[in-house]
Amino acid sequence: NAGVMQNPRHLVRRRGQEARLRCSPMKGHSHVYWYRQLPEEGLKFMVYLQKENIIDESGMPKERFSAEFPKEGPSILRIQQVVRGDSAAYFCASSGTGGNQPQHFGDGTRLSIL
Amino acid sequence: DAKTTQPPSMDCAEGRAANLPCNHSTISGNEYVYWYRQIHSQGPQYIIHGLKNNETNEMASLIITEDRKSSTLILPHATLRDTAVYYCIVRATNAGGTSYGKLTFGQGTILTVHP
Repeated sequence: NAGVMQNPRHLVRRRGQEARLRCSPMKGHSHVYWYRQLPEEGLKFMVYLQKENIIDESGMPKERFSAEFPKEGPSILRIQQVVRGDSAAYFCASSGTGGNQPQHFGDGTRLSIL
Repeated sequence: DAKTTQPPSMDCAEGRAANLPCNHSTISGNEYVYWYRQIHSQGPQYIIHGLKNNETNEMASLIITEDRKSSTLILPHATLRDTAVYYCIVRATNAGGTSYGKLTFGQGTILTVHP
């Protein structure tokens, strides 16, 4: 499967814990995007990264959330001190280089906060 | 933030063509039109995109009006598995535009294909 891989598929955390969501882009893709879908709501952009750089983080909450895409390894979305409102589906997408390249999405991580 | 307008829902009979309209009257010259769909709670699936010419691939056809203010996604022979929420999105392809990089999802069109 050469698609975007996200893990884990399901993640359960207690309030106050940390959540780490991983995303491996499609082979050859160097652009990664994170989106969040709250229950019964639409997808919202969070952050756009290229290797080792954050290009646009205009959709990221100002506190507790961070993202990275290191030179080696997957992209990581980290949520510190999770709260019940963080329960959502988090989707990662990747694209190749070239302005009009489409983004291809993974199957998401469903985060549940107890 | 979405710059597109789509009908909230549409129905289509199985085997018939599904024509999903989208209005993007404020589209800029450097913005492409992208179509995605989301089945249940799966990740969005890319369908097709275009700038000003009509496009066709194995999934669908995209018809963009000459003034680029609207477009239509055509699923030529809809099946029950095409039941999904369909999103029309405009996105800039070079830095400087507010829509660069990110996809801004609106409410989309819920397409229901019935037997």
